[in-house]
Amino acid sequence: AQTVTQSQPEMSVQEAETVTLSCTYDTSESDYYLFWYKQPPSRQMILVIRQEAYKQQNATENRFSVNFQKAAKSFSLKISDSQLGDAAMYFCAYRSAIFQGAQKLVFGQGTRLTINP
Amino acid sequence: KAGVTQTPRYLIKTRGQQVTLSCSPISGHRSVSWYQQTPGQGLQFLFEYFSETQRNKGNFPGRFSGRQFSNSRSEMNVSTLELGDSALYLCASSPRFVGDEQFFGPGTRLTVL
Repeated sequence: AQTVTQSQPEMSVQEAETVTLSCTYDTSESDYYLFWYKQPPSRQMILVIRQEAYKQQNATENRFSVNFQKAAKSFSLKISDSQLGDAAMYFCAYRSAIFQGAQKLVFGQGTRLTINP
Repeated sequence: KAGVTQTPRYLIKTRGQQVTLSCSPISGHRSVSWYQQTPGQGLQFLFEYFSETQRNKGNFPGRFSGRQFSNSRSEMNVSTLELGDSALYLCASSPRFVGDEQFFGPGTRLTVL
């Protein structure tokens, strides 16, 4: 079974600075997807960024980028120019690319990110 | 296009009762998944449906069941409620099955007294 581990329960960063959230995962599959989701106090789960395992290029979405190290099974999220609106719980998630498990997300325990003004 | 809607948003039940939660996916989406979120266990997968068929099920007791209708709306049912069933129940929809992004609803907060 796949597992996802986020070793940082809490992180804080000054507004406008850069922060990196860590995530490691374990799988025997070669094809899969990795995600970072953001859950603000409203509890609405919002997709931040997505990475396909077969793509070597790291995904980027505006101020958000990932460092995907497939051999090390590591998937970190970098937030540049942190803004107050980035404060939330961040979840790393794994999803298989095989048909049977295609919609099942395996989540890490989350990292609570605080932005200090 | 309207997002994923879940009803009710909040629910209070007592032990032993049963509850039904509803999820309406984004128009055109045929896949629906359910997750349970608790402080202790985090986010755990319950089940997923595609075209009215359950495709995958998480490690939950038989008290947890679900179904999907022909219009892709989905319901989940929990019978004989226990205190530990208190949680935020999240529903997510996607257009098809493999590879599509999932969009989450706002959740239903269930409290069992």
